[in-house]
Amino acid sequence: GENVEQHPSTLSVQEGDSAVIKCTYSDSASNYFPWYKQELGKGPQLIIDIRSNVGEKKDQRIAVTLNKTAKHFSLHITETQPEDSAVYFCAASGSGEKYGNKLVFGAGTILRVKS
Amino acid sequence: DGGITQSPKYLFRKEGQNVTLSCEQNLNHDAMYWYRQDPGQGLRLIYYSQIVNDFQKGDIAEGYSVSREKKESFPLTVTSAQKNPTAFYLCASSMVAGNYEQYFGPGTRLTVT
Repeated sequence: GENVEQHPSTLSVQEGDSAVIKCTYSDSASNYFPWYKQELGKGPQLIIDIRSNVGEKKDQRIAVTLNKTAKHFSLHITETQPEDSAVYFCAASGSGEKYGNKLVFGAGTILRVKS
Repeated sequence: DGGITQSPKYLFRKEGQNVTLSCEQNLNHDAMYWYRQDPGQGLRLIYYSQIVNDFQKGDIAEGYSVSREKKESFPLTVTSAQKNPTAFYLCASSMVAGNYEQYFGPGTRLTVT
């Protein structure tokens, strides 16, 4: 089945710098890749997603890139702010009848933005 | 947290007792999911349901049970057979048929002593 690996597990950056989180997936048929932000004690919130028919997507300070050949995708946050501090999860959709609409999640990255 | 509610936010139970966690959504979504989250780990799928009166086991279904009698409700029962039930439980929902976005509730933290 699908397996998603996420790196790094923790990331500290200075306010205003960029942050990059990378994920790799194993199922070449996966076609949907969302990123979630989770603040302490809350449920994850979708911040951006990308489908396999595009290579890059941007939303203000957040961007996601996808390399289908290498089976990896990355989250880029520019001009980081203290409120960006949270846990970020990547995920990949399964494929085929067995998985249906399931998502497989990475282990998460704790992002700390130092002011 | 969108239109998904989970109650209660904190739940305490004695070992050996079954406990049911509530999840309700008003998004008119067909699919609903239960995840377990442990410290330092990602979300692991317990059960999911793509339509009323139907559900499938996820990766860690042992010791859990669910029902889907209504479109808007997907309760999870943590049974006494679950060896390590203390965790943060998240419910999510999504539309089916090509739309994969999942929306999460605020979670229930279950502590079993």
